[in-house]
Amino acid sequence: EVQLQQSGAELVKPGASVKLSCKTSGYTFSNYYMSWLKQMPGQNIEWIGNIYGGNGGTGYNQKFKGKATLTVDKSSSTAYMDLSSLTSEDSAVYFCARHRAPLGYFDFWGPGTMVTVSS
Amino acid sequence: DIQMTQSPSFLSASVGERVTLSCRASQNINKYLDWYQQKLGEAPKLLIYNTNNLHTGIPSRFSGSGSGTDYTLTISSLQPEDVATYFCLQRNSWPWTFGGGTKLELK
Repeated sequence: EVQLQQSGAELVKPGASVKLSCKTSGYTFSNYYMSWLKQMPGQNIEWIGNIYGGNGGTGYNQKFKGKATLTVDKSSSTAYMDLSSLTSEDSAVYFCARHRAPLGYFDFWGPGTMVTVSS
Repeated sequence: DIQMTQSPSFLSASVGERVTLSCRASQNINKYLDWYQQKLGEAPKLLIYNTNNLHTGIPSRFSGSGSGTDYTLTISSLQPEDVATYFCLQRNSWPWTFGGGTKLELK
């Protein structure tokens, strides 16, 4: 069974950084891409970027370059996203979602991690 | 970026009713259009990919159609468990972009 398990909710101060994780199981991690997506409360979903589990190659939405950094640990089949210089605009739920091809559809999603930026 | 516009934003319908949701792209997206269902407090779930392909395990009352810039998700007979927000997503070009969603409720 495919599972994407995301790390727990975070409360962080403005200007700080946070690292979110997406631990996978039930499939061959290196054969898939992982995208990260942002959903602010009651709002639209935004695609942040993706990373290939095989070689760590990345692609980013220009809007999130400098804000998000995607990495993987193949040994633990885990994808990570670092968010830096956090502001209130970064308060949102962040999802990881798996896809088979670089332009493939998201067939499995993690449950999401809520990040709250507040002093 | 390609803009995706969904209509209506809100829809109220009765059990058993046929429901049609629309999604319009700001340019041709060559049928690289997916539909996702999101229930309150949950992650989105893939329903339809590449305009008209039903994802594994999704009931056959869901179907998709369209081409060019205009796409449609149809629920042939609305069920209580279909109450959710529905999003379209274009994967024709980066950055991938979602529509604003249609919130579907029971009348």
